[in-house]
Amino acid sequence: AQKVTQAQTEISVVEKEDVTLDCVYETRDTTYYLFWYKQPPSGELVFLIRRNSFDEQNEISGRYSWNFQKSTSSFNFTITASQVVDSAVYFCALNYNTGKLIFGQGTTLQVKP
Amino acid sequence: DTAVSQTPKYLVTQMGNDKSIKCEQNLGHDTMYWYKQDSKKFLKIMFSYNNKELIINETVPNRFSPKSPDKAHLNLHINSLELGDSAVYFCASSQGDFGALTEAFFGQGTRLTVV
Repeated sequence: AQKVTQAQTEISVVEKEDVTLDCVYETRDTTYYLFWYKQPPSGELVFLIRRNSFDEQNEISGRYSWNFQKSTSSFNFTITASQVVDSAVYFCALNYNTGKLIFGQGTTLQVKP
Repeated sequence: DTAVSQTPKYLVTQMGNDKSIKCEQNLGHDTMYWYKQDSKKFLKIMFSYNNKELIINETVPNRFSPKSPDKAHLNLHINSLELGDSAVYFCASSQGDFGALTEAFFGQGTRLTVV
């Protein structure tokens, strides 16, 4: 079965702390794609990153970084020096060439000033 | 310029009514989607169209009917609305299917409330 699990329902940190959002996926396919989306309080879904199953290189974009490990079926997301504007619901998602995204349950991140 | 736009953003209606949500994308993408986000924030695909043809139809009641007049538009019509239909509906588009592209663009969502 194809599945994405975000075990952390809610995380609360103080500004400038680093925070890691966990994502564990299940799939039998060898070719698949992993995504992270951000949903701020305004409600829209903002694309953050896409990774394919053959590229295990970690990626850094400003304060954001992603750690993809096939051995543990994880695709974790770290925000360094968090800011209040990072407060949002973050979704991890899986696509395995079926044309649909399987979303995790989402992690609500609250960054307090 | 909004890439994927949905109208209306908010929709409040009574049970039993019929309503439509419109979606347009100006990205030249081939594939469009409807996703539903429930009250617990869970997102699930409902439909997918590629070049006006239905590709994915998840287990969605027949009261929901997508219509794609051209590849830039995918509208969602809902008949005989029920309380359980209350949710946020997201339209999305991509070039090819989700597996082949670099990202998928979502609209801002339509919050449907059935009273």
